[in-house]
Amino acid sequence: GAGVSQTPSNKVTEKGKYVELRCDPISGHTALYWYRQSLGQGPEFLIYFQGTGAADDSGLPNDRFFAVRPEGSVSTLKIQRTERGDSAVYLCASSSGLKNEQFFGPGTRLTVL
Amino acid sequence: KQEVTQIPAALSVPEGENLVLNCSFTDSAIYNLQWFRQDPGKGLTSLLLIQSSQREQTSGRLNASLDKSSGRSTLYIAASQPGDSATYLCAVRDYGQNFVFGPGTRLSVLP
Repeated sequence: GAGVSQTPSNKVTEKGKYVELRCDPISGHTALYWYRQSLGQGPEFLIYFQGTGAADDSGLPNDRFFAVRPEGSVSTLKIQRTERGDSAVYLCASSSGLKNEQFFGPGTRLTVL
Repeated sequence: KQEVTQIPAALSVPEGENLVLNCSFTDSAIYNLQWFRQDPGKGLTSLLLIQSSQREQTSGRLNASLDKSSGRSTLYIAASQPGDSATYLCAVRDYGQNFVFGPGTRLSVLP
């Protein structure tokens, strides 16, 4: 079946603008994760959903970042008033079952000019 | 707070060599540990997942071991090939669904 997909693959925006990044998890996966990865580093946890609710949002850096998953499937990561420091690759992963093996999407590369 | 480190940061070997990548974590109360591969500009591909009750997992030329008490995992790659060139990341999951990643080991296998 289809894996995790993310759109857009690349997003270039100007400082101060609002952006939305979309994640389509593997069908039936109840858990969904957002990560941010800077060059040369491992992914950094942002937020985790179990179903429709955000079970852990402790990784969100500040209140400019927000994520939703209204129907327990697709999720959108929203960033307000973007800053140059927000430039990174945003990765989404989904998992299900006791093993909770994570499967990642290809990521969205965000560049804030 | 869980911290994950990986050594070496980069490794370059000739084709055919067997090699070991290391992952260390500070808190042994983990639920599982997962090894990933990441190609340049791509997402992460899951290689192996070891549950906290297991000691090792094998898939083809890959073998991952876990020693929870010492906070270590190793990824063994047998008979390396140029196609194995990538960054290898380990991630530790605690019982609260938090995943913490290491910085990765960048592997180059030379033909």
